[in-house]
Amino acid sequence: AQSVTQLDSQVPVFEEAPVELRCNYSSSVSVYLFWYVQYPNQGLQLLLKYLSGSTLVESINGFEAEFNKSQTSFHLRKPSVHISDTAEYFCAVSRGGSYIPTFGRGTSLIVHP
Amino acid sequence: KAGVTQTPRYLIKTRGQQVTLSCSPISGHRSVSWYQQTPGQGLQFLFEYFSETQRNKGNFPGRFSGRQFSNSRSEMNVSTLELGDSALYLCASSIDRGNTGELFFGEGSRLTVL
Repeated sequence: AQSVTQLDSQVPVFEEAPVELRCNYSSSVSVYLFWYVQYPNQGLQLLLKYLSGSTLVESINGFEAEFNKSQTSFHLRKPSVHISDTAEYFCAVSRGGSYIPTFGRGTSLIVHP
Repeated sequence: KAGVTQTPRYLIKTRGQQVTLSCSPISGHRSVSWYQQTPGQGLQFLFEYFSETQRNKGNFPGRFSGRQFSNSRSEMNVSTLELGDSALYLCASSIDRGNTGELFFGEGSRLTVL
């Protein structure tokens, strides 16, 4: 069985500051890793994913995440956040053939002006 | 390409009633999953359907059921509603190729049970 831990339930930050949202997972097999974002009153949208290859993956809006196999982590980072980045962020992990990813509890990113 | 469509977006029911929620997946996606999202429990997996068959099931009571039609559209039903069933119900579809677990979510159906 796999599990996902998002260490921070809430992360407040000022606009233009850097941010890191932490995600650790446990799995005994190779995994696929995802970050989803949920804006208020909306569903989840895929932000970025690691399937294979380069351990550093990037999104189109400036977020990046690095797969660290030895530390079983997939932390999400952004060098400079905007007010519009305020949302709930979910880390998810799945294993090949599982079809069903396991989600973390989510981290609420709150960007203050 | 149209995204995942869920109806209704909002609904209010009273205890003891039943509710049916609908989900139309992205064209070509044959796998449909349902999740319950609440502030206290986060995202909880309900069930997953593929080719009209329930392929995976979460740990929910039998009051929660679902089905999938030949066009991949899916419905979920909750009978004998309880106050604790108040939640955002999310449907997600997957192309099911490569089995990566990548999901495409709808905007959800927010159920309030009074």
